[in-house]
Amino acid sequence: SQKIEQNSEALNIQEGKTATLTCNYTNYSPAYLQWYRQDPGRGPVFLLLIRENEKEKRKERLKVTFDTTLKQSLFHITASQPADSATYLCALDTGGGADGLTFGKGTHLIIQP
Amino acid sequence: EADIYQTPRYLVIGTGKKITLECSQTMGHDKMYWYQQDPGMELHLIHYSYGVNSTEKGDLSSESTVSRIRTEHFPLTLESARPSHTSQYLCASSAAGPSGTYEQYFGPGTRLTVT
Repeated sequence: SQKIEQNSEALNIQEGKTATLTCNYTNYSPAYLQWYRQDPGRGPVFLLLIRENEKEKRKERLKVTFDTTLKQSLFHITASQPADSATYLCALDTGGGADGLTFGKGTHLIIQP
Repeated sequence: EADIYQTPRYLVIGTGKKITLECSQTMGHDKMYWYQQDPGMELHLIHYSYGVNSTEKGDLSSESTVSRIRTEHFPLTLESARPSHTSQYLCASSAAGPSGTYEQYFGPGTRLTVT
C-alpha cells in the first residue's frame, strides 16, 4: 500500500522567510498530489493540487513541486506570516481520486514573529 | 468556507450505546467520505460513497456503518460504542473539477469520546 512520509518534527521558521515542507511517498506514483492545511480542532482545507505531468504549481505565496523520479513533493510558503502557522498535510489519490485520499501525518509549521 | 456540516461537534458517551454522527453538504457533490483521525496521526479513510445508494469500505477497517439515502446526507452509525472508537471523525465531499480532479471539502469534525 502507499506510504507517505512528512517531517514529523515541528518546523520553526522566522516571519518573512520561506518555509519548505517535504512529502515523500513509496510505491506507485499517483496521478496527482494534494496539499491541505489543518488548524487545531478543524477539518483540513484544500490548498493546491499538482498533476504527475506538472513540475510546479503556484498560488499566491504558495508553490508546490512534484518530482516523480524522487517520489517527492515540496511545498513552499514565501514571505511567511504567523497566520500561516498550522499543520500541512500531503495527500495522494488512491486511484482516480473519487475513491478517497491517502494522507500523510502532516508537518506542524510554526512561524515566529 | 465549504458548506459541509457535522453534528454533534463533541460527543461523550458510555460503552455499549448506539450513536449516529451526522454529515450534510449543500454543494450537490456526488462523492462523500468518512475519515478517522487520532491526535497527531494521519487521516484514515473508513467509508466512501459515489452517490445515492452507494457505500464502500475504505482502507481502514471500521465497525461503523454508513448509509446514503439522499445526496446531501451521509450519516455514520456505531451500533455499540467502545472505548477503542474514541477518535475524531471527519466527513468530506467532492465533485470532479474542470480537469477531472477531486479536491475534498471537509466538515469541522466530530470528536467522539467513549467512556
